[in-house]
Amino acid sequence: GAVVSQHPSRVICKSGTSVKIECRSLDFQATTMFWYRQFPKQSLMLMATSNEGSKATYEQGVEKDKFLINHASLTLSTLTVTSAHPEDSSFYICSAKDSVDYGYTFGSGTRLTVV
Amino acid sequence: AQSVTQPDIHITVSEGASLELRCNYSYGATPYLFWYVQSPGQGLQLLLKYFSGDTLVQGIKGFEAEFKRSQSSFNLRKPSVHWSDAAEYFCAVGDLLTGGGNKLTFGTGTQLKVEL
Repeated sequence: GAVVSQHPSRVICKSGTSVKIECRSLDFQATTMFWYRQFPKQSLMLMATSNEGSKATYEQGVEKDKFLINHASLTLSTLTVTSAHPEDSSFYICSAKDSVDYGYTFGSGTRLTVV
Repeated sequence: AQSVTQPDIHITVSEGASLELRCNYSYGATPYLFWYVQSPGQGLQLLLKYFSGDTLVQGIKGFEAEFKRSQSSFNLRKPSVHWSDAAEYFCAVGDLLTGGGNKLTFGTGTQLKVEL
């Protein structure tokens, strides 16, 4: 079945630095990828939608300059948290939509801790 | 705007007992509905999905869900729960309209505990 690889699974960074999270669809082409943020014991909050080759669409309240999303190919999307602060600590999950079958496959998530 | 309600935040069942997790949705057209399961610190795994056709959908791990348009519901069921089913369960509705960007909207989740 469809597999989405998300790396790293855990990352600790210092306040003020930037962190890049990668999301790859391994065996299918993902025309659309989604980035979510999840707080402990809460649901997933959609941050942005990215389509291959175009700019990402951010949800209301999400800072586009802080959460940079690049979707340069049909198999790779990246989320860069710039100038990270402790309040950015969270669980980030990507999801890829198959261009053929209407299915959403999720990555295993990245636990970001900013110290 | 689409929305999903999962009325039960926590549910505890005994191993071997039946399970039903409730999900109600709000959507202007025919909904595309999903159930996902999440183990701690992990991503989401698709249990089943409904697009059209038979309103009773079979999924993985012995789960099924029934789409009831009249009740705007898509409840998840399992006849006999196993201890390994303990996890967080999310119901989601998909927006396939171009303007909606094919987004999924998630419910708040139901935490399932299984007593041995």
